This record gives sequence, structure tokens and C-alpha cells, in this order.
Amino acid sequence: DTAVSQTPKYLVTQMGNDKSIKCEQNLGHDTMYWYKQDSKKFLKIMFSYNNKELIINETVPNRFSPKSPDKAHLNLHINSLELGDSAVYFCASSQDSTGAGTSPYNEQFFGPGTRLTVL
Amino acid sequence: DAKTTQPTSMDCAEGRAANLPCNHSTISGNEYVYWYRQIHSQGPQYIIHGLKNNETNEMASLIITEDRKSSTLILPHATLRDTAVYYCISKTSYDKVIFGPGTSLSVIP
Repeated sequence: DTAVSQTPKYLVTQMGNDKSIKCEQNLGHDTMYWYKQDSKKFLKIMFSYNNKELIINETVPNRFSPKSPDKAHLNLHINSLELGDSAVYFCASSQDSTGAGTSPYNEQFFGPGTRLTVL
Repeated sequence: DAKTTQPTSMDCAEGRAANLPCNHSTISGNEYVYWYRQIHSQGPQYIIHGLKNNETNEMASLIITEDRKSSTLILPHATLRDTAVYYCISKTSYDKVIFGPGTSLSVIP
């Protein structure tokens, strides 16, 4: 069974369109994340949700809106897509929800990624 | 918050031990050191973590210096499938994980 799954794996779209990427984890984890990996391969956190509540919101344009219908799902909706949004987007989850950031159970499990190409 | 520095790239002969260093000289006393790797086109994969003591699991060993200012990830018998980018993680508050550029390890036949 896939622990963290994302759909779609590839997404090619035109500038200005609105698109969504879905993420599901079957690990029973409390915390889920979205990361963006650009062409230079830097992996940057975008959002983090703990039990459906937003806990980390990095400096991300408000065209990006995460939605967590339940703690097993964290979807990413992107409005008015721009060329610079082209990247690989990774979803992840972790067990720790203490907020201390120092728990030994803080390992994150990543999905396979969604490669978004904006034309 | 700890910041980490790693060499940009390393080579290792297949079957030999790969020793990947990481400096984290500003790490605080209760912060863990985590290692992840990313094989080409895949999501990052957790390898190991530690606080003060050396750790070993089925994937690797982690050696942390006594002053905790640096650590070394050891892959005891590197295989071609270990070719990947290895990240030594800097932790900030509340699960925010900062991935640096990592070390690109090439295992050579």
C-alpha cells in the first residue's frame, strides 16, 4: 500500500488556468505538508497542516490555497497559474503533532511528487 | 535554529563505505539531526536521525560528535542504488524542516 499518494503525477497546463493537486496519506499521521522543488532542486516548505488546521504558511502567493477536508487529505489548489509555478510539488506527512519540533517521531514521509508545467 | 553545511558532491566506489559529513555548529541542545535522501525524480526518503548518541538502522549509521557540532552519515557498503542527493536537516520551530542543497553522492561501479 502506498503510504503517501499524490495525483496527478504530471500536470501540464496553460498560464492563467486553475488547477488542483490531491494528496492522501494512509499512515494515520496528524500532520501534512506541501513542498515545492524548483528547477534548481531546492526543496522549500509551503504549508503545514495539523489535524486539518493550518500551522505553517510560508511566504507563498495567495493564489495557492491548501485545503484539508480531513487529516488524511491535504489538497493544493492553485489559481491563475504563472510560468514561475512550474516545479515539482511534494506532499508529506509526519506523526508528530506536539508542536515542539524536537520529537523523535518527526520523520516525514513524502509522496512521489507532481510535476507541474505551466506553458 | 541550526543551519547545516554539506559538501556539494562526493563520489564513492561501489561496495565501499560512503561517509557523508555535515556541519551544524549552531544546533541547539534539544534539536535532533535528521538525514534524508532523494533519488532522482522521487520524493525524499527518511534515513535516520539522532540527538547525541550514535545511531544505526538497516539503511545507515549516524555518528554525532560529542560537541554535536557535526555528524557523519555512513552507508557501510554503497551500491549503485545509493546514488542520490543526501540532506542533513536543519530544524526550526514546529516541524518546519529546512532542506539545504544537500550532497550529491555518486556511487561508481
